[in-house]
Amino acid sequence: SQTIHQWPATLVQPVGSPLSLECTVEGTSNPNLYWYRQAAGRGLQLLFYSVGIGQISSEVPQNLSASRPQDRQFILSSKKLLLSDSGFYLCAWSQVGGGKSSGNTIYFGEGSWLTVV
Amino acid sequence: AQSVTQLDSQVPVFEEAPVELRCNYSSSVSVYLFWYVQYPNQGLQLLLKYLSGSTLVKGINGFEAEFNKSQTSFHLRKPSVHISDTAEYFCAVRGSQYGNKLVFGAGTILRVKS
Repeated sequence: SQTIHQWPATLVQPVGSPLSLECTVEGTSNPNLYWYRQAAGRGLQLLFYSVGIGQISSEVPQNLSASRPQDRQFILSSKKLLLSDSGFYLCAWSQVGGGKSSGNTIYFGEGSWLTVV
Repeated sequence: AQSVTQLDSQVPVFEEAPVELRCNYSSSVSVYLFWYVQYPNQGLQLLLKYLSGSTLVKGINGFEAEFNKSQTSFHLRKPSVHISDTAEYFCAVRGSQYGNKLVFGAGTILRVKS
């Protein structure tokens, strides 16, 4: 079965420091990968998605970047964190193709709490 | 703009009472519809999904949802809630008019009281 791992689970970082959140998916190949952010009291906002190695699409302009160095690895980064970067970050994946029954469901990791102080 | 509206930000309900969490989406073409649940400090877990076929969809933990195309709604229901159902629930829509991305509503916090 497929699993998704995301770490670290909790992170407290000072303003101006760098960020690296990692996500890996097991049990599948060539998944679509996503990073979402959930700010306090708000819904989920899609930040980045990737359909393959080195292919990253950004949904909103921001202080963050994403990379996909391997097929099942997705990294969320920042060179200098802002206070507004605080939130709950969720990595997710979905299968490519496979028809309606598998190609349209997105599965989420456990999330990473980022507090910028 | 295409959107998903969850009409209630919070729904308080007593244990063993029925509950309905409302979701409406803006679209005139085919979509795929989802409900996710998020327990405190955890990721999102898929409750149920509508892809095609029967408009009444049954999910985990006794939840069900009904797709109503004419009203563009996908309300979530449970006939009798438990304390353990306390969580935040997200409605989500995916379709070509959304760029095939999953678009989420703002979420509804269900608070079950004893």
